[in-house]
Parts: sequence; C-alpha cells; structure tokens
Amino acid sequence: DADVTQTPRNRITKTGKRIMLECSQTKGHDRMYWYRQDPGLGLQLIYYSFDVKDINKGEISDGYSVSRQAQAKFSLSLESAIPNQTALYFCATSDPRDRGHSNEKLFFGSGTQLSVL
Amino acid sequence: SQKIEQNSEALNIQEGKTATLTCNYTNYSPAYLQWYRQDPGRGPVFLLLIRENEKEKRKERLKVTFDTTLKQSLFHITASQPADSATYLCALDNYGQNFVFGPGTRLSVLP
Repeated sequence: DADVTQTPRNRITKTGKRIMLECSQTKGHDRMYWYRQDPGLGLQLIYYSFDVKDINKGEISDGYSVSRQAQAKFSLSLESAIPNQTALYFCATSDPRDRGHSNEKLFFGSGTQLSVL
Repeated sequence: SQKIEQNSEALNIQEGKTATLTCNYTNYSPAYLQWYRQDPGRGPVFLLLIRENEKEKRKERLKVTFDTTLKQSLFHITASQPADSATYLCALDNYGQNFVFGPGTRLSVLP
C-alpha cells in the first residue's frame, strides 16, 4: 500500500551493527505496528503503538526498540544486530475508529528485507 | 497455549476448481477474523473480515465462514484462476489490542 512507506527496501548489515528501519504513513491512522516474517512462521508482532505516547511490546520484542516520532512515523531499531534477526520486516497501520464496529483492519507497507551477516 | 494453524503450508488446485483454506485457533476469543493475501516480496493485503456473530461473508468469488464453536474459519475461492496464486493469511483480533497471524497457506492454481 503506497500510503505506508518503509525505508530501506533492502539492507545488508554486519553482526553487532546498529540499524534503523523507518516507516511513515499518510493514512492518518493512530495505530502502527511492526511485524517480522520468517518463512513458515507467518507474521510475528514486535511492537505496536496506539499513539505517540503509547508503545507496547509484542510477542518478540527482545533485541528491538522503537520510536514513535509523530503520528505518521514509527521507527524500529536493532541496537546490535545478530544473524537470527535476518527476516522480512513489515510496518502496518490501522484506524482505531473502526474497532468499535469490529471492522479494524491492517494496512501494510511493502516491507524491508534485512540480512545480518 | 495460544495457537493459530492454517491447514497446510501449500495447496495446489486446478484452474476452475474451488480452493478451500482452513484457519483453526486455540485459546483466543476473537471478536472478528480477517483474511489477507500476500504476493512474494509484498506486504499482505486485506481481503475479507468476518465478525463473531456472522456465519458467512462473501465478496465476488471469495467466501469466508466463521464457526466460534469449532474455533475455525474457512476461506473459499470459487472458479479459481492462476492469478489467485498467492499466500493467504488469517488473522485474529487479539482482545482488542493487536492482531495475530497464522503461518499462511501458499496456494498455487495450475492452468
């Protein structure tokens, strides 16, 4: 979805390096999420944010940190990258106003393929 | 423990047939369930949503059912086409906090 932009699209880094993945959105959604995808494991939630002051850990937050700089921006950092963090990373947004109608859905970016050597 | 399973990692069917994909879950009580399509190297795209009080939902050639007693959703693609080949993911509303995904089923529609 062009409304959710992730940069970079691909990144190769070395073990121990600090790396930041960025996500910006023009959908005006308050909620943003970071997922990682490994083959055969589906999408696993790393962190999510309900607004700029609300950050929550997902199921696999160890080794990651996030920053919600503005409603439209949500960054994921790997403080010291390790090879098992090699994966496809997705940012997503949702509109909480849909939740009351049980109609909330996710809008994903195109992903960042990260390789840690 | 909480778990979401999708019937198989890969499913091959002949063009024109109906594809049926299964999503089963344990220890969740979702208010609604979603299905997404994912093409290689791309982010998932929302297809359909079904609420806990709905038995069936349709959109063009797609049909979703939701049985909260069996804790199962079925996703059907009728008159399948090679362009339907993709990975299909089910996702559950996780107590209003976030969304949890199944591992996906890679569907191949053979001409």
